[in-house]
Amino acid sequence: QQQVKQSPQSLIVQKGGISIINCAYENTAFDYFPWYQQFPGKGPALLIAIRPDVSEKKEGRFTISFNKSAKQFSLHIMDSQPGDSATYFCAASMDQAGTALIFGKGTTLSVSS
Amino acid sequence: EAEVAQSPRYKITEKSQAVAFWCDPISGHATLYWYRQILGQGPELLVQFQDESVVDDSQLPKDRFSAERLKGVDSTLKIQPAELGDSAMYLCASSPWGGQSVNEQFFGPGTRLTVL
Repeated sequence: QQQVKQSPQSLIVQKGGISIINCAYENTAFDYFPWYQQFPGKGPALLIAIRPDVSEKKEGRFTISFNKSAKQFSLHIMDSQPGDSATYFCAASMDQAGTALIFGKGTTLSVSS
Repeated sequence: EAEVAQSPRYKITEKSQAVAFWCDPISGHATLYWYRQILGQGPELLVQFQDESVVDDSQLPKDRFSAERLKGVDSTLKIQPAELGDSAMYLCASSPWGGQSVNEQFFGPGTRLTVL
């Protein structure tokens, strides 16, 4: 049973455009929602994370929007750059120490220059 | 900047052989995870340690996989015998216990295993 569904599978955006990746979760006990960025041959790196007490969190060009009632959250990358080309994973877990992350299947983003 | 270390980075083996992967978490991180990432998929948990104790190994194929963290610091994941379907990236992650970001997990570079 896939508990975190991510879309689209791949995304092509022009330089300067907005990249949007969506995720939906099933388990209402989840209360920690991170996004990871992974470059080929590297491990995932934490990009930004949100907890359900807020509906939006922004860090630089990256913004997470969270809709608790719909059980959905999304990553927006503003002014997308070629260096943003990577695979992005959403994840979810309970926000307590020692809880495994449940990952989506990933979105491969290509930003054309 | 502190990082999770893993070795080897790449491993090629023949099926039925034994392989082992090593992970050194960020100093002071009590929780250590081993995830498996099949090409084109997200990471999936294999085993989780709190200090030297196994917290969750429900997804670990125990007939062929074993993991240990004897002194509560570094960890080893072993596969014996390896099968073709074990080809994947094996990722180690660690996280601190407690604090504001209690479930912030930091990943190592991974070990890419190819079974021939």
